[in-house]
Amino acid sequence: DVKVTQSSRYLVKRTGEKVFLECVQDMDHENMFWYRQDPGLGLRLIYFSYDVKMKEKGDIPEGYSVSREKKERFSLILESASTNQTSMYLCASSLVSNQPQHFGDGTRLSIL
Amino acid sequence: GQNIDQPTEMTATEGAIVQINCTYQTSGFNGLFWYQQHAGEAPTFLSYNVLDGLEEKGRFSSFLSRSKGYSYLLLKELQMKDSASYLCAVRDREAAGNKLTFGGGTRVLVKP
Repeated sequence: DVKVTQSSRYLVKRTGEKVFLECVQDMDHENMFWYRQDPGLGLRLIYFSYDVKMKEKGDIPEGYSVSREKKERFSLILESASTNQTSMYLCASSLVSNQPQHFGDGTRLSIL
Repeated sequence: GQNIDQPTEMTATEGAIVQINCTYQTSGFNGLFWYQQHAGEAPTFLSYNVLDGLEEKGRFSSFLSRSKGYSYLLLKELQMKDSASYLCAVRDREAAGNKLTFGGGTRVLVKP
């Protein structure tokens, strides 16, 4: 079974802090994704990567950056956290584009 | 861009059948996924349709009509554990990285 692991289930940070969310997958998948999920808005894509050191903006990249130095790891960075970034963050990976995405358990991030 | 619509909420009785509709508008349709998400958990893959017709997997079936921009997920012999949100997601070949766009999700409540 594919395992996508997110480093924290719950995280509380303060406004202005730099926040790192880590995601690791163990199935040698090419593609990795970061989403946020908010009530009434569904899953929205922040950034994705289809290869090491490659990244593409999703639908809502503002205020975020990403890093993919190794194939198995995809990090989401909040450069200066703000309260409107309080959300559930979900990482996903897929072998190739036409294969299902497999999701991690999510990180519920609160910015105070 | 893409527009994906699905009902917000549906209620059904244990043992019954429920049909969740999803309509979409996209310039380069390249597949449709259904995911199940229990409260507080990660989405899990249910089905994938890229050609017209019905795909059956046990109690769950998914149908696609590309000409109508329409899909449905059919849940038969409903069980209490089927209470969850069901997410419709569409892949667009003209979008960078063949990324998925998700609908807002349909919350299904199964009553005894």
